[in-house]
Amino acid sequence: DAGVIQSPRHEVTEMGQEVTLRCKPISGHDYLFWYRQTMMRGLELLIYFNNNVPIDDSGMPEDRFSAKMPNASFSTLKIQPSEPRDSAVYFCASSLYRGEDTEAFFGQGTRLTVV
Amino acid sequence: AQSVTQLDSHVSVSEGTPVLLRCNYSSSYSPSLFWYVQHPNKGLQLLLKYTSAATLVKGINGFEAEFKKSETSFHLTKPSAHMSDAAEYFCVVSDRFIIQGAQKLVFGQGTRLTINP
Repeated sequence: DAGVIQSPRHEVTEMGQEVTLRCKPISGHDYLFWYRQTMMRGLELLIYFNNNVPIDDSGMPEDRFSAKMPNASFSTLKIQPSEPRDSAVYFCASSLYRGEDTEAFFGQGTRLTVV
Repeated sequence: AQSVTQLDSHVSVSEGTPVLLRCNYSSSYSPSLFWYVQHPNKGLQLLLKYTSAATLVKGINGFEAEFKKSETSFHLTKPSAHMSDAAEYFCVVSDRFIIQGAQKLVFGQGTRLTINP
Protein backbone atom coordinates (compact mmCIF):
# COMPACT_ATOMS: atom_id res chain seq x y z
CA ASP A 1 0.00 0.00 0.00
CA ALA A 2 1.19 3.53 -0.75
CA GLY A 3 0.21 4.78 2.67
CA VAL A 4 -2.08 7.69 3.44
CA ILE A 5 -2.15 10.05 0.48
CA GLN A 6 -2.96 13.71 0.86
CA SER A 7 -3.42 16.31 -1.83
CA PRO A 8 -2.40 18.90 -2.58
CA ARG A 9 0.94 18.99 -0.73
CA HIS A 10 0.93 22.77 -0.77
CA GLU A 11 -1.93 25.21 -1.20
CA VAL A 12 -1.78 28.99 -1.35
CA THR A 13 -5.07 30.81 -1.49
CA GLU A 14 -6.50 34.24 -0.91
CA MET A 15 -8.58 35.09 2.11
CA GLY A 16 -12.24 34.41 1.49
CA GLN A 17 -11.70 31.61 -0.98
CA GLU A 18 -12.88 28.06 -0.48
CA VAL A 19 -10.20 25.47 0.16
CA THR A 20 -10.60 21.70 -0.12
CA LEU A 21 -8.05 19.29 1.24
CA ARG A 22 -8.15 15.66 0.20
CA CYS A 23 -7.18 12.40 1.83
CA LYS A 24 -7.03 8.79 0.71
CA PRO A 25 -6.64 6.47 3.71
CA ILE A 26 -4.90 3.13 3.68
CA SER A 27 -7.15 0.50 2.15
CA GLY A 28 -9.03 -1.50 4.79
CA HIS A 29 -8.60 1.01 7.58
CA ASP A 30 -11.76 1.82 9.50
CA TYR A 31 -10.76 5.07 11.19
CA LEU A 32 -9.78 8.36 9.59
CA PHE A 33 -8.53 11.43 11.44
CA TRP A 34 -7.89 15.03 10.46
CA TYR A 35 -5.26 16.96 12.45
CA ARG A 36 -4.00 20.53 12.22
CA GLN A 37 -0.47 21.57 13.14
CA THR A 38 0.41 25.18 14.00
CA MET A 39 3.32 26.73 15.81
CA MET A 40 1.06 28.15 18.47
CA ARG A 41 -1.14 25.15 19.21
CA GLY A 42 0.89 22.17 18.02
CA LEU A 43 -1.01 19.17 16.67
CA GLU A 44 -4.74 19.19 17.29
CA LEU A 45 -7.36 16.62 16.38
CA LEU A 46 -10.10 18.26 14.32
CA ILE A 47 -12.44 15.38 13.55
CA TYR A 48 -12.46 11.63 13.14
CA PHE A 49 -14.56 9.10 11.28
CA ASN A 50 -15.34 5.44 11.91
CA ASN A 51 -16.55 3.47 8.92
CA ASN A 52 -17.19 6.75 7.04
CA VAL A 53 -19.36 8.16 9.84
CA PRO A 54 -18.20 11.29 11.71
CA ILE A 55 -17.84 10.36 15.37
CA ASP A 56 -16.33 13.40 17.04
CA ASP A 57 -16.02 16.83 15.46
CA SER A 58 -15.47 18.73 18.69
CA GLY A 59 -12.07 19.84 17.49
CA MET A 60 -13.38 21.64 14.43
CA PRO A 61 -12.65 25.27 15.17
CA GLU A 62 -15.59 26.96 13.49
CA ASP A 63 -18.53 26.43 11.17
CA ARG A 64 -16.27 27.49 8.34
CA PHE A 65 -14.70 24.05 8.62
CA SER A 66 -16.47 20.94 7.37
CA ALA A 67 -15.35 17.39 6.66
CA LYS A 68 -16.89 14.57 4.73
CA MET A 69 -16.13 10.95 4.03
CA PRO A 70 -18.40 9.82 1.19
CA ASN A 71 -16.77 6.39 0.99
CA ALA A 72 -14.09 4.29 2.63
CA SER A 73 -11.34 5.52 0.33
CA PHE A 74 -11.80 9.27 0.33
CA SER A 75 -12.26 12.18 2.69
CA THR A 76 -12.26 15.95 2.33
CA LEU A 77 -11.71 18.83 4.70
CA LYS A 78 -13.21 22.06 3.44
CA ILE A 79 -12.71 25.60 4.70
CA GLN A 80 -15.15 28.20 3.45
CA PRO A 81 -14.39 31.07 3.60
CA SER A 82 -10.70 30.74 4.41
CA GLU A 83 -8.87 33.18 6.68
CA PRO A 84 -5.16 33.87 7.25
CA ARG A 85 -5.31 32.24 10.69
CA ASP A 86 -6.24 28.97 9.01
CA SER A 87 -2.68 28.77 7.67
CA ALA A 88 -1.24 25.52 9.01
CA VAL A 89 -0.22 22.02 8.04
CA TYR A 90 -3.18 19.68 7.91
CA PHE A 91 -2.55 15.98 8.44
CA CYS A 92 -4.78 13.08 7.65
CA ALA A 93 -4.26 9.76 9.43
CA SER A 94 -5.93 6.38 9.23
CA SER A 95 -5.94 3.28 11.39
CA LEU A 96 -7.39 -0.19 11.65
CA TYR A 97 -8.62 -0.92 15.14
CA ARG A 98 -6.70 -3.85 16.62
CA GLY A 99 -6.97 -3.10 20.29
CA GLU A 100 -3.55 -2.46 21.75
CA ASP A 101 -1.91 -3.07 18.40
CA THR A 102 -3.76 -0.21 16.76
CA GLU A 103 -1.43 2.21 14.99
CA ALA A 104 -2.30 5.44 13.22
CA PHE A 105 -0.52 6.11 9.93
CA PHE A 106 -0.11 9.71 8.86
CA GLY A 107 0.00 11.30 5.46
CA GLN A 108 2.67 13.82 4.55
CA GLY A 109 0.36 16.71 5.19
CA THR A 110 -0.98 19.66 3.24
CA ARG A 111 0.68 22.99 3.95
CA LEU A 112 -2.02 25.65 3.63
CA THR A 113 -1.17 29.32 3.33
CA VAL A 114 -3.99 31.84 3.30
CA VAL A 115 -2.90 35.31 2.25
CA ALA B 1 -8.70 13.89 30.14
CA GLN B 2 -5.23 13.21 28.90
CA SER B 3 -2.38 15.62 28.49
CA VAL B 4 1.29 15.48 27.62
CA THR B 5 4.12 17.76 28.61
CA GLN B 6 7.39 17.65 26.76
CA LEU B 7 9.82 19.29 29.10
CA ASP B 8 12.23 20.61 26.48
CA SER B 9 11.26 22.47 23.33
CA HIS B 10 14.78 22.11 21.94
CA VAL B 11 17.57 19.63 22.65
CA SER B 12 21.01 19.86 21.08
CA VAL B 13 23.58 17.05 21.33
CA SER B 14 26.79 16.11 19.60
CA GLU B 15 26.93 13.22 17.20
CA GLY B 16 27.79 10.01 19.02
CA THR B 17 26.55 11.21 22.42
CA PRO B 18 23.38 10.02 24.20
CA VAL B 19 19.97 11.52 23.53
CA LEU B 20 17.32 12.12 26.20
CA LEU B 21 13.95 13.64 25.32
CA ARG B 22 11.71 14.04 28.31
CA CYS B 23 7.96 13.51 28.48
CA ASN B 24 5.44 13.51 31.31
CA TYR B 25 1.84 12.54 30.86
CA SER B 26 -1.49 12.78 32.61
CA SER B 27 -4.28 10.33 31.99
CA SER B 28 -7.49 9.39 33.75
CA TYR B 29 -7.25 5.85 32.53
CA SER B 30 -4.58 3.34 31.71
CA PRO B 31 -2.73 5.05 28.90
CA SER B 32 -1.10 4.06 25.68
CA LEU B 33 1.97 6.14 24.99
CA PHE B 34 3.79 6.80 21.75
CA TRP B 35 6.72 8.67 20.33
CA TYR B 36 6.42 10.01 16.81
CA VAL B 37 9.14 11.63 14.73
CA GLN B 38 8.67 14.29 12.08
CA HIS B 39 11.49 15.05 9.70
CA PRO B 40 11.42 18.40 7.88
CA ASN B 41 8.58 18.61 5.37
CA LYS B 42 7.63 15.03 6.05
CA GLY B 43 4.73 13.30 7.76
CA LEU B 44 4.73 11.73 11.19
CA GLN B 45 6.34 8.35 11.70
CA LEU B 46 5.79 6.09 14.69
CA LEU B 47 9.03 5.44 16.58
CA LEU B 48 7.69 3.24 19.34
CA LYS B 49 4.65 2.63 21.54
CA TYR B 50 3.81 1.41 25.00
CA THR B 51 0.53 -0.37 25.64
CA SER B 52 0.45 -2.73 28.58
CA ALA B 53 3.37 -5.08 28.08
CA ALA B 54 7.00 -4.45 28.95
CA THR B 55 7.73 -1.05 30.46
CA LEU B 56 10.92 -0.71 28.44
CA VAL B 57 9.98 -0.31 24.82
CA LYS B 58 12.36 -0.59 21.91
CA GLY B 59 11.63 1.27 18.70
CA ILE B 60 13.14 1.90 15.34
CA ASN B 61 16.53 3.49 14.70
CA GLY B 62 17.90 2.49 18.10
CA PHE B 63 15.46 4.52 20.18
CA GLU B 64 14.02 3.29 23.47
CA ALA B 65 11.54 4.60 25.99
CA GLU B 66 10.70 3.52 29.51
CA PHE B 67 7.23 3.79 30.99
CA LYS B 68 7.41 4.79 34.66
CA LYS B 69 3.95 4.91 36.17
CA SER B 70 5.16 6.25 39.53
CA GLU B 71 6.74 9.22 37.79
CA THR B 72 4.12 9.49 35.00
CA SER B 73 7.00 9.68 32.57
CA PHE B 74 7.85 8.19 29.20
CA HIS B 75 11.27 9.55 28.29
CA LEU B 76 12.86 8.75 24.94
CA THR B 77 16.52 7.76 24.80
CA LYS B 78 19.16 6.69 22.35
CA PRO B 79 22.71 5.71 23.34
CA SER B 80 24.45 7.39 20.41
CA ALA B 81 23.04 10.18 18.27
CA HIS B 82 23.35 10.17 14.51
CA MET B 83 23.06 13.15 12.20
CA SER B 84 19.97 11.62 10.65
CA ASP B 85 18.19 11.80 14.02
CA ALA B 86 17.76 15.56 13.65
CA ALA B 87 14.00 16.07 13.60
CA GLU B 88 10.97 17.04 15.69
CA TYR B 89 9.83 14.45 18.22
CA PHE B 90 6.34 14.21 19.66
CA CYS B 91 5.26 12.40 22.77
CA VAL B 92 1.65 11.23 22.47
CA VAL B 93 -0.88 9.78 24.89
CA SER B 94 -4.08 7.93 24.19
CA ASP B 95 -6.60 6.34 26.53
CA ARG B 96 -6.80 2.62 25.86
CA PHE B 97 -10.34 2.02 26.94
CA ILE B 98 -12.36 4.21 24.68
CA ILE B 99 -15.73 2.71 23.86
CA GLN B 100 -15.60 3.73 20.24
CA GLY B 101 -12.30 1.96 19.84
CA ALA B 102 -10.59 4.88 18.26
CA GLN B 103 -7.29 6.04 19.53
CA LYS B 104 -7.70 9.77 19.99
CA LEU B 105 -4.12 10.86 20.10
CA VAL B 106 -3.15 13.83 22.24
CA PHE B 107 0.17 15.30 21.16
CA GLY B 108 2.78 17.11 23.17
CA GLN B 109 4.18 20.35 21.82
CA GLY B 110 7.21 18.64 20.38
CA THR B 111 10.96 18.68 21.00
CA ARG B 112 13.29 19.75 18.24
CA LEU B 113 16.44 17.63 18.28
CA THR B 114 19.56 19.13 16.77
CA ILE B 115 22.68 17.05 16.21
CA ASN B 116 26.02 18.82 16.14
CA PRO B 117 28.86 17.30 14.11
